[in-house]
Amino acid sequence: EDKVVQSPLSLVVHEGDTVTLNCSYEVTNFRSLLWYKQEKKAPTFLFMLTSSGIEKKSGRLSSILDKKELFSILNITATQTGDSAIYLCAVDGGSNYKLTFGKGTLLTVNP
Amino acid sequence: DAGVIQSPRHEVTEMGQEVTLRCKPISGHDYLFWYRQTMMRGLELLIYFNNNVPIDDSGMPEDRFSAKMPNASFSTLKIQPSEPRDSAVYFCASTMSNQPQHFGDGTRLSIL
Repeated sequence: EDKVVQSPLSLVVHEGDTVTLNCSYEVTNFRSLLWYKQEKKAPTFLFMLTSSGIEKKSGRLSSILDKKELFSILNITATQTGDSAIYLCAVDGGSNYKLTFGKGTLLTVNP
Repeated sequence: DAGVIQSPRHEVTEMGQEVTLRCKPISGHDYLFWYRQTMMRGLELLIYFNNNVPIDDSGMPEDRFSAKMPNASFSTLKIQPSEPRDSAVYFCASTMSNQPQHFGDGTRLSIL
C-alpha cells in the first residue's frame, strides 16, 4: 500500500520567514509527486515532480524531489499571511493516476 | 475554462436520509475521483472512474455508499441511509493522462 508522510503537521511563523515543508513516501511504482495548497475550499495544484534533483519554482515557492531517498521538500521564502493554508503532498503510484495524499502541513503565517 | 463543478456546496440533513452529491468534471478529462476529507483521516480516495467505468471502489466505506457516472460530464455519490459519522467534506476531482488532478470546491456534508 502506498504511503505518504508529511512533516511537520503544523507550523507557525512570522511574515518574512522562510519555511521548509517535508514529504516522504513509499510507493510501489512511482510516477510523480504533487504538491497542493488548500485554503478554505479546493486543493489547488502547485507542482508536479517526476525527476530527481530538478527544482521547480513559482515565485516564492520552490520544490525538489529526491527519488533515491524518497522525499520531497517545498520551500516558501519571504512568507506572507496569504501563504497560510494546508499544504498537501501526494504521490501517483502509477495506477490510473490515482493519488495517495499525506495528512498535510498546516502553515500559519502571522503578521 | 470552467473547473470541476460540485453541488450542493453545503448539505445538512438528518440521520437516515438519502444524500446525493453531484459532480461535473472538466471537459475532456477521462478520469474522475471522489474523495472524503476529515480532520482525523485527511483526504481519502473513495472511488474513481476512467471513461465512465468504475475502476477501484475499495475506498468506499460501506454498502451505504454508491457512485455512478452515467456519462462523461456527470457523476453522483449517494449515501443511503446517512449517518452522523458520514459528516465530512466530499471532493470530486478530474484529470487526463499525465496531468495533475483538478478539484472542485467540495460539498460540506453535515448529518444530524
